[in-house]
Amino acid sequence: DAKTTQPNSMESNEEEPVHLPCNHSTISGTDYIHWYRQLPSQGPEYVIHGLTSNVNNRMASLAIAEDRKSSTLILHRATLRDAAVYYCILRGWGKLQFGAGTQVVVTP
Amino acid sequence: NAGVTQTPKFRILKIGQSMTLQCAQDMNHNYMYWYRQDPGMGLKLIYYSVGAGITDKGEVPNGYNVSRSTTEDFPLRLELAAPSQTSVYFCATGGANTGELFFGEGSRLTVL
Repeated sequence: DAKTTQPNSMESNEEEPVHLPCNHSTISGTDYIHWYRQLPSQGPEYVIHGLTSNVNNRMASLAIAEDRKSSTLILHRATLRDAAVYYCILRGWGKLQFGAGTQVVVTP
Repeated sequence: NAGVTQTPKFRILKIGQSMTLQCAQDMNHNYMYWYRQDPGMGLKLIYYSVGAGITDKGEVPNGYNVSRSTTEDFPLRLELAAPSQTSVYFCATGGANTGELFFGEGSRLTVL
């Protein structure tokens, strides 16, 4: 199964952008790159996903490398409510396994 | 629409007892997953299903069983509860194998 690698934690000041990297060097051609976040004491919630092209939605942007071996989740203006664990996972057929994620700390 | 409903939200079990965690979805999704999350840790996949009648093991299946007789329901059975099964359990569903997943609110289980 393809795995992802993320930094353990990242800090950001409020109102500044946050760039969260994810490496997935063993990604297969049919795997979609998904990002979820988990706020304290809550279940994970969907953030964004993509296959090859960069994607934007109201929550974030997803930049995917041309070789698809890495991607970056971009939170354009971090708020205190964005403090959470962010998971980068690959979704293809069947199994969907989470890694350890990145703990994002937002400082006022 | 209720989305993904997990019951119970909280439960305390004694060692050796059995119980079933229920997961129901009203989104007509084929894919369903059970995860457990220990304190301060990430989610680990227990079992998953790609459609009614089909189930398969995840990373940590020992001590658990599942069934998927309908599209809507995916119950998780603990036969002989052990303290190591103290955790928060999340059920998730998804449509096409490429789309977003929807998670339930979790079931917090304590085994004493």
